[in-house]
Amino acid sequence: QVQLQESGPGLVKPSETLSLICSVSGYSISSDYYYWAWIRQSPGKGLEWIGNMHHSGDSYYKASLKSRVTISIDTSKNQFSLKLNSVTAADTAVYYCARVGGATPFDYWGQGTLVTVSS
Amino acid sequence: DIQMTQSPSSLSASVGDRVTVTCRASQDISNSLAWYQQKPGKGLKLLLYAASRLESGVPSRFSGSGSGTDYTLTISSLQPEDFATYYCQQYYDARALTFGGGTKVEI
Repeated sequence: QVQLQESGPGLVKPSETLSLICSVSGYSISSDYYYWAWIRQSPGKGLEWIGNMHHSGDSYYKASLKSRVTISIDTSKNQFSLKLNSVTAADTAVYYCARVGGATPFDYWGQGTLVTVSS
Repeated sequence: DIQMTQSPSSLSASVGDRVTVTCRASQDISNSLAWYQQKPGKGLKLLLYAASRLESGVPSRFSGSGSGTDYTLTISSLQPEDFATYYCQQYYDARALTFGGGTKVEI
């Protein structure tokens, strides 16, 4: 059974970098078919896709976040990570990691982790 | 980006009711549409993909239809465990994935 679990600080100060890790079990992150994604959910903006990364290095990012976002993959740990820099209160959200095919929906999701941006 | 508009934003229903949720895309998405269910404190669960294909393990009371820009999720007989929020999502543009605003199904 594929399982994803997000982890990381629940509180980040404004202007700093938000860093999260998604640990994947039950499936190899090195699979050629799947990408690995981050999505966030806030009351104000609903569900917002952040970006996808493939173990080959191919990646897609939401245009409005692209300048601040990095998604990377660690195949040795079967994990992938999200870094979002220069955060503001508008980045406060529940962050989810998920698995997604090349042109298919997100088929497995983590439970999500709340990140609050506040001083 | 392709805009996804869901309606209604919430609805009240009873066990056994037939429930319909609609999703409209801002352009033709050629059936590249998924429906998800979310319960409080949980991640999203994939229910249907390709507009009408049921994900493995999802009860047959869930169905989807539509084409072009307009799509529908139907629950034929609402069960207690179906009270949740439902989202549509387009994956036609894989470089700019977008979701609908959600429909909360309440008792």
